[in-house]
Amino acid sequence: KAGVTQTPRYLIKTRGQQVTLSCSPISGHRSVSWYQQTPGQGLQFLFEYFSETQRNKGNFPGRFSGRQFSNSRSEMNVSTLELGDSALYLCASSFERGDTEAFFGQGTRLTVV
Amino acid sequence: AQSVTQLGSHVSVSEGALVLLRCNYSSSVPPYLFWYVQYPNQGLQLLLKYTTGATLVKGINGFEAEFKKSETSFHLTKPSAHMSDAAEYFCAVSDYFNKFYFGSGTKLNVKP
Repeated sequence: KAGVTQTPRYLIKTRGQQVTLSCSPISGHRSVSWYQQTPGQGLQFLFEYFSETQRNKGNFPGRFSGRQFSNSRSEMNVSTLELGDSALYLCASSFERGDTEAFFGQGTRLTVV
Repeated sequence: AQSVTQLGSHVSVSEGALVLLRCNYSSSVPPYLFWYVQYPNQGLQLLLKYTTGATLVKGINGFEAEFKKSETSFHLTKPSAHMSDAAEYFCAVSDYFNKFYFGSGTKLNVKP
């Protein structure tokens, strides 16, 4: 059974640009969540999608957005990149209920220069 | 609201020694609790989870954790550390909608 796949693994962008990250969840999982991991702030929740609907959103500016497709694949987009957006972005997939574990991808390392 | 506090950002043990990583949580509802491990430049791998039932939870690689409601704790232990256990460990609590609240992490160093 394939795990959570995130692409690309590494990305370098310039300030002001936008970026799109992709996440393919485990087959059968309908919930996809995104997290930002930085040395200073740790792991922070960005948003969660279930059946193409955003159910939960963290405290991030509107420059961070996401979507989920009918096959449960998800993308997140960051517009007008800032240096502080440099981070490891992790995607997690799970079944609907919160009592099951989230399976994490290997992440996308975004560097903004 | 849920939150997690991990005591000790760095823990160092000798190979073969007991590993104890501390986690305290705050939750307004019965918690779902997890421990994850992260190796450099990798995602998070689940070690173990507590949802309901037995309060002593066994996980992979010889790790276990005990849910103590009265102490709001979920400490992670392993009787004998191995060099391969060196990594960063995260305690987390989740809500019904798969929103995970992570602790700040504890880096475990294992000395030969």
